[in-house]
Amino acid sequence: EIVLTQSPDFQSVTPKERVSITCRASQSIGSSLHWYQQKPGQPPKLIMKSASQSISGVPSRFSGSGSGTDFTLTINGLEAEDAVVYFCHQSSRLPHSFGQGTKLEIK
Amino acid sequence: EVQLVQSGAEVKKPGESLKISCKGLGFTSTAYWIGWVRQMPGQGLEWMGIISLRDSDTRYSPTFQGQVTISVDKSINTAYLQWNGLKASDTAIYYCARTGRFVTTFDYWGQGTLVTVSS
Repeated sequence: EIVLTQSPDFQSVTPKERVSITCRASQSIGSSLHWYQQKPGQPPKLIMKSASQSISGVPSRFSGSGSGTDFTLTINGLEAEDAVVYFCHQSSRLPHSFGQGTKLEIK
Repeated sequence: EVQLVQSGAEVKKPGESLKISCKGLGFTSTAYWIGWVRQMPGQGLEWMGIISLRDSDTRYSPTFQGQVTISVDKSINTAYLQWNGLKASDTAIYYCARTGRFVTTFDYWGQGTLVTVSS
């Protein structure tokens, strides 16, 4: 099984800050890496697919990069509503898997 | 509008059986799979398995193989997650989510079903 490790687990952030979350895969997964945002009490929401492909309706301040084993989700100009939990997800090989999550909290 | 509508919260005792559902609205079943994802209290997401709405092909995570059964009724665009013999450790929110023919992203999610197992 492919293990995804996110860093950091937790980050204290300020509005307008540029924030990066990384996701490392235990083996190469090409670009089969996707990102979800989860707000409290809600299901996850897809915000980036295939490492760097944007999703309709998701603000342009979210961007993704990476391939192989190392991936990054970047928020350029964080807004207060972005201070929630983010998960990466690999679909390269079954069983699929998720990272453990990264929680962003406003300072 | 695409929606996945899940059945309501359940409270069960250890050892009991349970089947929860996920009904797909606003799309036809031919090209999609439905996945199940567990989220234990305050924890992350765990990929449990997926089932094809077209031909019921089912794939499980080894963690959940033999612990749950995923099934589908194509005629009503509904997927199910079933337990025979619940444990307290099954207490969690269970989400269903849709993925396409090539089984990549989960683009639509159900609202989640909270399952509480307690004596």
